[in-house]
Amino acid sequence: EPEVTQTPSHQVTQMGQEVILRCVPISNHLYFYWYRQILGQKVEFLVSFYNNEISEKSEIFDDQFSVERPDGSNFTLKIRSTKLEDSAMYFCASSGMDGFNEQFFGPGTRLTVL
Amino acid sequence: AQTVTQSQPEMSVQEAETVTLSCTYDTSENNYYLFWYKQPPSRQMILVIRQEAYKQQNATENRFSVNFQKAAKSFSLKISDSQLGDTAMYFCAFMKGPANSGYALNFGKGTSLLVTP
Repeated sequence: EPEVTQTPSHQVTQMGQEVILRCVPISNHLYFYWYRQILGQKVEFLVSFYNNEISEKSEIFDDQFSVERPDGSNFTLKIRSTKLEDSAMYFCASSGMDGFNEQFFGPGTRLTVL
Repeated sequence: AQTVTQSQPEMSVQEAETVTLSCTYDTSENNYYLFWYKQPPSRQMILVIRQEAYKQQNATENRFSVNFQKAAKSFSLKISDSQLGDTAMYFCAFMKGPANSGYALNFGKGTSLLVTP
């Protein structure tokens, strides 16, 4: 069964460094999403992406964040200058145009900012 | 903006028993969808069940069913014949419509469910 994959599973970085989190959505999906979950808190929406542009973003998704679909398969989230409070689990999701448009989630990348 | 409230941070149920998880939401939208997602210790989010707001009939998926009360803006999840594998964090989520539009999921804070032998 097709699935969303994410790499790396765990990323440790120093405050102020740039990180890129990678996702491979399900191949025939057209909508891509990033969510984050700070430990012990709820899952929060960051951004959605369709047709090579951002379709919706939350107030969390400020100028330090960017998303890109550099090729036909990857979808990336870049954090330019990480802060301690960026430490969280980051989930990628994708959805298609068929049927209901269910969002399928990847296993997540745990980002630890030191 | 929509808010999703799950008032039960933790719940426990014995194997084979039935448990109900509560969720309320607030919205001014008329076209929307509600979901329950399961997040086991592996952390991957898995869709359990969904409900279209325009449907009066409550959704059912095997041992999982919902009680959707649109006027009260309530969307509870009932798990029948609980199994050890049901131990997980359960998130209620809201999405405005229409479907196939790529809108965001808005999650509640979650209920941690423990199924005991």
